[in-house]
Amino acid sequence: EPEVTQTPSHQVTQMGQEVILRCVPISNHLYFYWYRQILGQKVEFLVSFYNNEISEKSEIFDDQFSVERPDGSNFTLKIRSTKLEDSAMYFCASSGLGIEQFFGPGTRLTVL
Amino acid sequence: DQQVKQNSPSLSVQEGRISILNCDYTNSMFDYFLWYKKYPAEGPTFLISISSIKDKNEDGRFTVFLNKSAKHLSLHIVPSQPGDSAVYFCAAFGGGNQFYFGTGTSLTVIP
Repeated sequence: EPEVTQTPSHQVTQMGQEVILRCVPISNHLYFYWYRQILGQKVEFLVSFYNNEISEKSEIFDDQFSVERPDGSNFTLKIRSTKLEDSAMYFCASSGLGIEQFFGPGTRLTVL
Repeated sequence: DQQVKQNSPSLSVQEGRISILNCDYTNSMFDYFLWYKKYPAEGPTFLISISSIKDKNEDGRFTVFLNKSAKHLSLHIVPSQPGDSAVYFCAAFGGGNQFYFGTGTSLTVIP
């Protein structure tokens, strides 16, 4: 069964460093998303991406964040200068023509 | 602004009994609702959904009920099994590409 994959599973970085979180969505899906979940809190929407551009973003998704689909299979989230409060689980999701989104296993980001 | 709320952070149920997970929302423009199940160290997995034009959707042991006037939905699991132990999130969709998730309810099914 096709699934969304994410790498790495755990990323540790120093405050102020740049990180890139990688996702491979389900191959025939058209819509791609990033969410995050701070420990003990709800899953929060960050951004959606369709047709090679951002279609919607939340207020969390400020200038330090960017997304890219560099090669038709990967979908990346870049955080330019990480802050302590960026520590969270980051989930990638994708969807096809239906509304249901399929989530990856997540990347745990720890900012020290 | 928390548009989707799950007021019970945890729930314990005996195996074989019914589990009822509740979710409230504030935005009347939401027209599609989903339940996701999440195990530790995994991403949320889609479980069941309901459109706002329906008040009930059933899939095996899982039934979702929607009460639009009360802006309330619930997920019933019957009979509950130990493998159902997980965190359950409700999510609402109202156009655009954004889902709004609740904070989750941790269900423990006791054998």
